Amino acid sequence: GQNIDQPTEMTATEGAIVQINCTYQTSGFNGLFWYQQHAGEAPTFLSYNVLDGLEEKGRFSSFLSRSKGYSYLLLKELQMKDSASYLCAVRVDQTGANNLFFGTGTRLTVIP
Amino acid sequence: EAQVTQNPRYLITVTGKKLTVTCSQNMNHEYMSWYRQDPGLGLRQIYYSMNVEVTDKGDVPEGYKVSRKEKRNFPLILESPSPNQTSLYFCASSSPRQGGWGYTFGSGTRLTVV
Repeated sequence: GQNIDQPTEMTATEGAIVQINCTYQTSGFNGLFWYQQHAGEAPTFLSYNVLDGLEEKGRFSSFLSRSKGYSYLLLKELQMKDSASYLCAVRVDQTGANNLFFGTGTRLTVIP
Repeated sequence: EAQVTQNPRYLITVTGKKLTVTCSQNMNHEYMSWYRQDPGLGLRQIYYSMNVEVTDKGDVPEGYKVSRKEKRNFPLILESPSPNQTSLYFCASSSPRQGGWGYTFGSGTRLTVV
């Protein structure tokens, strides 16, 4: 089975930086995704890492260490609209199937 | 506009009354999948399809059926819904042509079974 852990809730201040961690234990690891989900809405793609290192995309960056089974999502210059749940998902190589396994999500609240 | 369309958005039904949630994508994606999302449990995969006429079970398939007769459509069928199937359902599609095989999700269907 797949085991994906991330904190349940975090709070941060507008304009600050926040780091959301994700640890995983899987067999057949083949990539890690971060999604943003506002309440009652569909998840939207933020980032994808398959190799070790940092991927930067505007205010959002994502880091992966395959040897440690660890990733983080870094959000800079926080805005109120960043209040949402952030989902860590691992892709597992299952005979060609493209299956993503999701953590339970981290609900981020940005306060003024 | 590239999208995944689910219908209906909201549905209240009674125990045992068969229902179908439709999902359609216009991106010519090979892969489609259904998830349910429950508080504290996250997104859990119900069924997936790697292409037309190819479907397989995810982690929580009990009580659900799917079919993939055409590439663009992947309906979710509940033959005899029960209250424990009350949930928020998402359909998703992807393709190796899409960076990292990332999913595009539909807007969701909130199902209540009473």
